[in-house]
Amino acid sequence: NAGVMQNPRHLVRRRGQEARLRCSPMKGHSHVYWYRQLPEEGLKFMVYLQKENIIDESGMPKERFSAEFPKEGPSILRIQQVVRGDSAAYFCASSPQAGGEQYFGPGTRLTVT
Amino acid sequence: GQQLNQSPQSMFIQEGEDVSMNCTSSSIFNTWLWYKQDPGEGPVLLIALYKAGELTSNGRLTAQFGITRKDSFLNISASIPSDVGIYFCAGQVMNTGFQKLVFGTGTRLLVSP
Repeated sequence: NAGVMQNPRHLVRRRGQEARLRCSPMKGHSHVYWYRQLPEEGLKFMVYLQKENIIDESGMPKERFSAEFPKEGPSILRIQQVVRGDSAAYFCASSPQAGGEQYFGPGTRLTVT
Repeated sequence: GQQLNQSPQSMFIQEGEDVSMNCTSSSIFNTWLWYKQDPGEGPVLLIALYKAGELTSNGRLTAQFGITRKDSFLNISASIPSDVGIYFCAGQVMNTGFQKLVFGTGTRLLVSP
């Protein structure tokens, strides 16, 4: 039973470019969560999605950040016009039902140069 | 916003020793979870607690959900070198459309052989 998959594992972008991070939840899981982790800190919630719906985006910056979880395919976290402060590890988690235990992927480490 | 205070920040112990770490909050949570994160990887779920007062074990790990719902602790008995990593507590509030995890600041554990 494959776990949560994220790609790429490492991503380098220059300031002003776009970053696209992908997350495939565990089989049978329809709830996806994105978190951001800065060095030496805990994870901070960004957004919670179910298939084709954003349920809670209270942790996501209003500008430049967007997320989607289409009917087919992985969930995408998109960061437009990246800045140095966006450099962090971005983790995706999935759960089989609302409020269920969340299982994390290996993360995407974004570096903005 | 909600914050979880986790202590100690770091621990350096000898192999075979027992370890205890805890997490406190100013808010009530319905679920407490404990995760372990290795360098460059995503958090791995260790133990989930769903009821106030609940005491749950997973091998050498034991965790308790505080009666007040505002705290939790994790014990590791007879530590081994592979216990090295960062341990995070996370609280979850079960409201409609509000499923995010709030993470603690982490306890870094080092084990000397």
